Amino acid sequence: EAGVVQSPRYKIIEKKQPVAFWCNPISGHNTLYWYRQNLGQGPELLIRYENEEAVDDSQLPKDRFSAERLKGVDSTLKIQPAELGDSAVYLCASSLGQHEQYFGPGTRLTVT
Amino acid sequence: AQSVTQPDIHITVSEGASLELRCNYSYGATPYLFWYVQSPGQGLQLLLKYFSGDTLVQGIKGFEAEFKRSQSSFNLRKPSVHWSDAAEYFCAVGAESSGDKLTFGTGTRLAVRP
Repeated sequence: EAGVVQSPRYKIIEKKQPVAFWCNPISGHNTLYWYRQNLGQGPELLIRYENEEAVDDSQLPKDRFSAERLKGVDSTLKIQPAELGDSAVYLCASSLGQHEQYFGPGTRLTVT
Repeated sequence: AQSVTQPDIHITVSEGASLELRCNYSYGATPYLFWYVQSPGQGLQLLLKYFSGDTLVQGIKGFEAEFKRSQSSFNLRKPSVHWSDAAEYFCAVGAESSGDKLTFGTGTRLAVRP
């Protein structure tokens, strides 16, 4: 069974440019999470989806970040415009709603 | 609010030696507790989890952890470390009441001496 797939794995952009990350969860997993992991820190939740509904986006900086999960499967996280402080690893995870989350390899974003 | 403390930022052990990584959590009710491992450039892999029942849980790769409610701890142990265990280890706490939101500690980086 394929795990959580994320792309791209690495992205380098200049500040003020837009960027998007894509996540394909494990087949059948109805819950999808986006986390941000700053250097030397643990992951922090940005947004959680139950199917196509965002049920917890309290930590998402809504002035520049947006996310969608059309049809309750794949998800896209966007930043527009990017700032230097957005440099981090963006992790996607999915679960069947039974507490155990499976993580993808992440997208490492560098904003210059 | 739930929180996790991993007091050791870096730990170095010799190959074959025993290992214990500390984790303390703060949460009002019985939490769900997890240990994840992250190798460089990789995502997080679940080592083990505690939901309820037996307080000593076994995980993959020979790891185990013990939930101690009185000490609010969930320390990770391994009797004999292998060089391939070098990685970063994260303790996390979740709860059904918060929609299974995971709160992670800052991680402990493990180095293994040959």
